[in-house]
Amino acid sequence: DIQMTQSPSSLSASIGDRVTITCRASQNIANSLNWYRQKPGKAPNLLIYAASSLQSGVPSRFSASGSGTDFTLTISNLQAEDFATYYCQQAYNTPRTFGQGTKVEIK
Amino acid sequence: QVQLQESGPALVKPSGTLSLTCAVSGGSISSSNWWTWVRQPPGKGLEWLGEVLHSGTTNYIPSLKSRLAISVDKSKNQFSLNLRSVTAADTAVYFCARVTGDRLVFDSWGQGTLVTVS
Repeated sequence: DIQMTQSPSSLSASIGDRVTITCRASQNIANSLNWYRQKPGKAPNLLIYAASSLQSGVPSRFSASGSGTDFTLTISNLQAEDFATYYCQQAYNTPRTFGQGTKVEIK
Repeated sequence: QVQLQESGPALVKPSGTLSLTCAVSGGSISSSNWWTWVRQPPGKGLEWLGEVLHSGTTNYIPSLKSRLAISVDKSKNQFSLNLRSVTAADTAVYFCARVTGDRLVFDSWGQGTLVTVS
């Protein structure tokens, strides 16, 4: 199985800040990496697919990059609705593993 | 826009079978998508469980493969999860989702349903 490791596990930030979350795969997954945001009590929501493509309807303050084993998600100008947990997920093969999550909290 | 809705018992006894159904509306389950189940134990992260195509082809997480079955019912436009021999460790919110395109994105999700094993 491909292991996905996110860092940090949590971070504190203020509205308007820029935050970066990293995700590392245990083997080369090319650009088969998706990012999701999950608000408390809700289902996850797709933000980014294929490592760097913004899903339709997702604000442009979200951006992502990476390929191979190392990936990043950046949120610029953090908004109130962005305080949530973020997950990366590899779509390279099955099982389609998720990272352990990064919780973005209000400072 | 496709919508998914999970249903099933909220409480299952240990050693019993956890059975959930995901009803699909606004789209056909016979489309060229995988249909998947993901679970989330209380306070923990997401765990992909498995997926099914309209043809019945399945993929499962190896750790649950001996206890898990995912199937599709095209006549009812729904798919189902059955997890046998459950323990308290199977207590979780269970989500169903659609997997779309060659990028295999989980683009539509159900709201999730909490199943407690006790």
